Amino acid sequence: GENVEQHPSTLSVQEGDSAVIKCTYSDSASNYFPWYKQELGKRPQLIIDIRSNVGEKKDQRIAVTLNKTAKHFSLHITETQPEDSAVYFCAASGNTGNQFYFGTGTSLTVIP
Amino acid sequence: KAGVTQTPRYLIKTRGQQVTLSCSPISGHRSVSWYQQTPGQGLQFLFEYFSETQRNKGNFPGRFSGRQFSNSRSEMNVSTLELGDSALYLCASSGHRGDETQYFGPGTRLLVL
Repeated sequence: GENVEQHPSTLSVQEGDSAVIKCTYSDSASNYFPWYKQELGKRPQLIIDIRSNVGEKKDQRIAVTLNKTAKHFSLHITETQPEDSAVYFCAASGNTGNQFYFGTGTSLTVIP
Repeated sequence: KAGVTQTPRYLIKTRGQQVTLSCSPISGHRSVSWYQQTPGQGLQFLFEYFSETQRNKGNFPGRFSGRQFSNSRSEMNVSTLELGDSALYLCASSGHRGDETQYFGPGTRLLVL
């Protein structure tokens, strides 16, 4: 089955700096890659996603890039703010149905 | 639209007991997935139901089972509880093909003593 690895597990940045979180996947059949943000005590919420026919997608301060050949995708957050502090999860899906494989999460802390 | 709801929100059980958790998806969503979230393991996929049929299953023992009703509501059952089953159990619903976005419920926090 699919295996998704996520790095780093923790990340601290100064407010205003950029943050990058990287994920790799193993199954070349995976074709949908969402990113979720989970604040303490809350449910995961989708922040951005990308499909395998697209190399990059941007939404304001958040962008995701996908390299199908290398089987990795990354989340980029620019001009970080304290409210960006949360745990971020990447995921991959591709078979029939909605079987998602999640990374183990990155705890991002933005220092004011 | 109302979001995904889960009941109960918190549960305390003892080893050997069984537990049933409930998930009501967003109206119109037919797919419901269940995940176990623990600090060390992240989100681990349990199973997915679509139109009352289990469509995908993760690598969990047979003590974990589920079902889906005709109104798409889903239940998850864990029998013979073990201490290691203590976790946050999340369900997520998604809509029709072409929109795989999963919307998560608030979770049920299960503590096994």
